[in-house]
Amino acid sequence: AQKVTQAQTEISVVEKEDVTLDCVYETRDTTYYLFWYKQPPSGELVFLIRRNSFDEQNEISGRYSWNFQKSTSSFNFTITASQVVDSAVYFCALRFSGGYNKLIFGAGTRLAVHP
Amino acid sequence: EAGVAQSPRYKIIEKRQSVAFWCNPISGHATLYWYQQILGQGPKLLIQFQNNGVVDDSQLPKDRFSAERLKGVDSTLKIQPAKLEDSAVYLCASSFSALGRGSTDTQYFGPGTRLTVL
Repeated sequence: AQKVTQAQTEISVVEKEDVTLDCVYETRDTTYYLFWYKQPPSGELVFLIRRNSFDEQNEISGRYSWNFQKSTSSFNFTITASQVVDSAVYFCALRFSGGYNKLIFGAGTRLAVHP
Repeated sequence: EAGVAQSPRYKIIEKRQSVAFWCNPISGHATLYWYQQILGQGPKLLIQFQNNGVVDDSQLPKDRFSAERLKGVDSTLKIQPAKLEDSAVYLCASSFSALGRGSTDTQYFGPGTRLTVL
C-alpha cells in the first residue's frame, strides 16, 4: 500500500529559528516521486519540490532544504531562519509509478512562525 | 502564465441541494484532477481526466458526484444531492501530461472552492 505519514500535526517557532518537517512514506515501487507543497491561508497548494526515487542528493533552495533518505523512507524538509511568511500548512506527497500520476498526500503539518 | 482558475471560491448550501464547481486548467495542460480536502486532512483524489477522458475515478462517490470535461479544457464537478460530510475544500489541479511510468509531471493547484453543507 502507498502511504505518507506526517507525524507532526502542528509546529510553533519563533522567527529566525530553524525548523524541520518530517515525512515518512511507504511504497513497494522502486520508481516513485516525492513532493512537498505549501498551503498558505489563501488555500492554494504551492509546489515546492519534486524528487525521484533514484536521486538521493539533498537539495537546497534559498532557506529551504530537503533531505531524502531511502534507507529510512524519509523525505524531510528544513526551513532555515524561519520567517512569518513561512506560516502555512505543508504537505508531503507520494506519486508511485502505477498510479496514473495520482498523488497520495500526508495529513499535513501546520507551521506557525511567530515574530 | 495564468494559473489554475476555480469558481466559486466559497459556497454554502443546505443538505440535499445540488452544487457545481468550475475549473479552468493551465493552458496546454492535458491532465486535470479534482481533489477533496476535508478539514485537517490532506487532499484526496476524486477524479482524473486525460484530455476529455476519465483516467481514474475510483474514489469518486458516483451515486452523488459527477464530473465532466467535455472539450478537454475546463471541467465541472457536481454534487447532487449534497450531504453534511461533503463539507470540504474542492481543489482542481492540472499537469502537462500524466502519461508513462516515471513521468516527471508536476501538478499545479488552483485556489479551491470551500463548500459548507448545512
